[in-house]
Amino acid sequence: AQRVTQPEKLLSVFKGAPVELKCNYSYSGSPELFWYVQYSRQRLQLLLRHISRESIKGFTADLNKGETSFHLKKPFAQEEDSAMYYCALPDSNYQLIWGAGTKLIIKP
Amino acid sequence: GAVVSQHPSWVICKSGTSVKIECRSLDFQATTMFWYRQFPKQSLMLMATSNEGSKATYEQGVEKDKFLINHASLTLSTLTVTSAHPEDSSFYICSARPVTGYSGELFFGEGSRLTVL
Repeated sequence: AQRVTQPEKLLSVFKGAPVELKCNYSYSGSPELFWYVQYSRQRLQLLLRHISRESIKGFTADLNKGETSFHLKKPFAQEEDSAMYYCALPDSNYQLIWGAGTKLIIKP
Repeated sequence: GAVVSQHPSWVICKSGTSVKIECRSLDFQATTMFWYRQFPKQSLMLMATSNEGSKATYEQGVEKDKFLINHASLTLSTLTVTSAHPEDSSFYICSARPVTGYSGELFFGEGSRLTVL
């Protein structure tokens, strides 16, 4: 079954520390993975997608097919990174399968 | 970037009344729109998939007669909560997938907070 797992509901790190938000997936075929972010009182928005291999706001994510992971990383966290982060994967009908989300809190 | 407008952003209604929420793609066409419900501190729960010109596809456990969805044009989908009750109070979010572009890229509305008294 297709599934996206974000094992951490809450992640709290200090400003300037590295951040890694975990995402594992289960998918038969070649997956296409996304990270969406929801800042406080703002709408959900696309952060990055693995197919474009881009870095947005200092975040990167590498698709590891061997470990079926798509962890989101940033070397030095900033306070404005505090938000809810969702990992997502389109299914065969192009509907997004969502992870449960991880709340990231950056402590000053 | 593409913009999705959701209206109203918040609404309070009496139990037993119906409430309509609109979702519009402002600068792009969307053959598919999605309606979600989000409970406090929880992830998005997909309610239904709305396709222009056809009936919506509801997720298991979502009452289609309770949550009426209409997708009359390529830029507008509406969700009507019929005979609302306090347990329908929630944050409803819509998203739209452009006709062109990556299949997984969705654009989200700001959400509508419904409070049923």
